[in-house]
Amino acid sequence: GQNIDQPTEMTATEGAIVQINCTYQTSGFNGLFWYQQHAGEAPTFLSYNVLDGLEEKGRFSSFLSRSKGYSYLLLKELQMKDSASYLCAAMDSNYQLIWGAGTKLIIKP
Amino acid sequence: IAGITQAPTSQILAAGRRMTLRCTQDMRHNAMYWYRQDLGLGLRLIHYSNTAGTTGKGEVPDGYSVSRANTDDFPLTLASAVPSQTSVYFCASTPGQGASEQFFGPGTRLTVL
Repeated sequence: GQNIDQPTEMTATEGAIVQINCTYQTSGFNGLFWYQQHAGEAPTFLSYNVLDGLEEKGRFSSFLSRSKGYSYLLLKELQMKDSASYLCAAMDSNYQLIWGAGTKLIIKP
Repeated sequence: IAGITQAPTSQILAAGRRMTLRCTQDMRHNAMYWYRQDLGLGLRLIHYSNTAGTTGKGEVPDGYSVSRANTDDFPLTLASAVPSQTSVYFCASTPGQGASEQFFGPGTRLTVL
């Protein structure tokens, strides 16, 4: 079956670094997406990885290992506005997204 | 308008009633999707459309129907609402079927009593 696993909740301190892990199992693979979702709002796109390695975009970076079915999202210099849920989604062979339940990130001052 | 709009923003509905959730995009995207989001679960695909005139079933299609008469509009209909359809519904679109970012509407919060 198809499955995405990510931690339910994480807590970090303002100014620190946090890594949110995601493991996936899909029928075929066409890339791994990360989205941010603030409470009561729609998900917004953060990153897309289809090749192994690290993609850096400002304070956010995303890593993919296809052989391990593993990805992580790295957030640096955490700000209070980064408090949100982070959704991991893998695209299967039919180009459909399989979504994880999301990781709620709590930032403390 | 710019992007995707959904209506209504929220709705309380009696069980057994018919309800249509509206979704309109002005980005000329070919592919559109309907998801539901429930606490503790990931977004689940209800129905999708790869291009105007075609639709397909997602992971949880039972109790829902869609149509895609043109590029811009993708309404979702609940023929006879049940309490288990209480959820937040998101419409999304992408330029094509391939691997590209999905753009989401603001969502509709639906409560079925």
